[in-house]
Amino acid sequence: AQSVTQLGSHVSVSEGALVLLRCNYSSSVPPYLFWYVQYPNQGLQLLLKYTTGATLVKGINGFEAEFKKSETSFHLTKPSAHMSDAAEYFCAVSDKGNKLVFGAGTILRVKS
Amino acid sequence: DAGVIQSPRHEVTEMGQEVTLRCKPISGHNSLFWYRQTMMRGLELLIYFNNNVPIDDSGMPEDRFSAKMPNASFSTLKIQPSEPRDSAVYFCASCPVGQGTGELFFGEGSRLTVL
Repeated sequence: AQSVTQLGSHVSVSEGALVLLRCNYSSSVPPYLFWYVQYPNQGLQLLLKYTTGATLVKGINGFEAEFKKSETSFHLTKPSAHMSDAAEYFCAVSDKGNKLVFGAGTILRVKS
Repeated sequence: DAGVIQSPRHEVTEMGQEVTLRCKPISGHNSLFWYRQTMMRGLELLIYFNNNVPIDDSGMPEDRFSAKMPNASFSTLKIQPSEPRDSAVYFCASCPVGQGTGELFFGEGSRLTVL
């Protein structure tokens, strides 16, 4: 069975500071990995995904994530936080299908 | 293009009543998913369909829950009878069948409150 652990249910950063949201996964097969973002009262939208190939993947709004097989991690980063980045972020894993298993989510707060 | 459309956006009902949530997927998307989001359990996959056929309903909590997809452009999730613990936001998502890339397109959700 696949699973995702997101470390930290809440992360707070200052505007302009580095954003780091942590995600570790468990999968018995080579995984596909995803980060989704949810703004208040909205559905989830895809930020970025790793399927195969380059382990550093870039997404929308300046976010990127690196797949590290040895660490079973897929942490999300952004060099400089913006107020508009405040949202809830979900890491997800799949076994190459469309059936995703989501983590518990991390709420990002950006302080001015 | 219209995204995934869910209705109602908000529903308040009393325990024991029947609840029907509706979803219209994006045109051309033949995979449809129902998720439930709560503070305690996060996002849970309830059921998904490929080409209108239920593929995996292992996440449906109990017999009170049922889902149908009578055609490619419409799906329902029904709870009968409803209970307070069913209070949650229910999301519908869609994607093309066989895409296998995990990019699901979510609706804005139906927030259900059972009193």
